[in-house]
Amino acid sequence: ETGVTQTPRHLVMGMTNKKSLKCEQHLGHNAMYWYKQSAKKPLELMFVYNFKEQTENNSVPSRFSPECPNSSHLFLHLHTLQPEDSALYLCASSQDYSETQYFGPGTRLLVL
Amino acid sequence: KQEVTQIPAALSVPEGENLVLNCSFTDSAIYNLQWFRQDPGKGLTSLLLIQSSQREQTSGRLNASLDKSSGRSTLYIAASQPGDSATYLCAVGPYNFNKFYFGSGTKLNVKP
Repeated sequence: ETGVTQTPRHLVMGMTNKKSLKCEQHLGHNAMYWYKQSAKKPLELMFVYNFKEQTENNSVPSRFSPECPNSSHLFLHLHTLQPEDSALYLCASSQDYSETQYFGPGTRLLVL
Repeated sequence: KQEVTQIPAALSVPEGENLVLNCSFTDSAIYNLQWFRQDPGKGLTSLLLIQSSQREQTSGRLNASLDKSSGRSTLYIAASQPGDSATYLCAVGPYNFNKFYFGSGTKLNVKP
């Protein structure tokens, strides 16, 4: 596979569930990002990882927990989410912060 | 905090028309500006990246300009086609590379 892949593509979970989103990039990039896209709102940057080190979390609630085991994989662990967390979660990568970001197809999350 | 505004929010044009999408930002201290397209329910595809030292970038029928001093960028699409129908997003990257700010997008519909 090439580019940036995300799994699962769709996820429905209850507020007490624990689930994880996975992102993998096959581009040899150094930086990876998690974004949240809600209806009628601009894309919001959640987390940035550079060389596996988290550099920004943008005040995201602790019910979202990122993990970056290596420069190619990024996870977003979810627990005790709220219905307002329902959104499209997008992963992206870039060679450097100053370079073009390449996005995955996203995970459509619905919290009941 | 940087604010990014895109006007218009939606645009419908007949096939073949040339059109301009607008993006404005409040803080001119940016490192780069990117234009993306997003098809319904999918991730973002990068169209053009303009570094702060550049005035414009071109790719095929697309031309993006940047005027940092006035806080504006435009995306020009020549000879529009139905396949250009999508939402177009602009994003600014400040010198603090950990923060990227997106506009809410312009939803374009090109009618056959």
